[in-house]
Amino acid sequence: EDQVTQSPEALRLQEGESSSLNCSYTVSGLRGLFWYRQDPGKGPEFLFTLYSAGEEKEKERLKATLTKKESFLHITAPKPEDSATYLCAVQAGAGKSTFGDGTTLTVKP
Amino acid sequence: DGGITQSPKYLFRKEGQNVTLSCEQNLNHDAMYWYRQDPGQGLRLIYYSQIVNDFQKGDIAEGYSVSREKKESFPLTVTSAQKNPTAFYLCATGEGNYEQYFGPGTRLTVT
Repeated sequence: EDQVTQSPEALRLQEGESSSLNCSYTVSGLRGLFWYRQDPGKGPEFLFTLYSAGEEKEKERLKATLTKKESFLHITAPKPEDSATYLCAVQAGAGKSTFGDGTTLTVKP
Repeated sequence: DGGITQSPKYLFRKEGQNVTLSCEQNLNHDAMYWYRQDPGQGLRLIYYSQIVNDFQKGDIAEGYSVSREKKESFPLTVTSAQKNPTAFYLCATGEGNYEQYFGPGTRLTVT
């Protein structure tokens, strides 16, 4: 059974204080690892897809990396508008994804 | 204007009543998904469909039913057999092994 564990559950940062969110996974035959951002009361918004170990993707203050067992979402010099829940998901086959419980990030000005 | 529409945004029902949640897409994606999200938790897959007239159970299908008669539509019925139906329901679409795109969600409250 595919499993995704995200840590920490919650993260509070000061504006400008860089940090990382972790996504550990166990899956048979990874086809893709996805990061999404979810604002309260809204549907998740796609951020990145990573397909193989060593791959990195960047978008503004966010950078996602992937190893054979985990992925990191690095946030550089965060701003209050980066506050959200960040969800990680893995896809092993049949177009079906397994999601983690998310990390809720709060960035204080 | 491409996207995924879920209606209504808020839905209230009495215990024992069936209720159908709507999901419509104009992204021309083959695959559609229904997830349930409870407070502080991630998404759990209820049902998914990779092609018209075919669908598969996800991890928590008990008490739910779906149909996929058109590519654009994937309605979810929450039946009275679902023990804890109050939750935030999300519909998504996708293609193959690529990312999914989510609708705005329907918050269902059953009392």
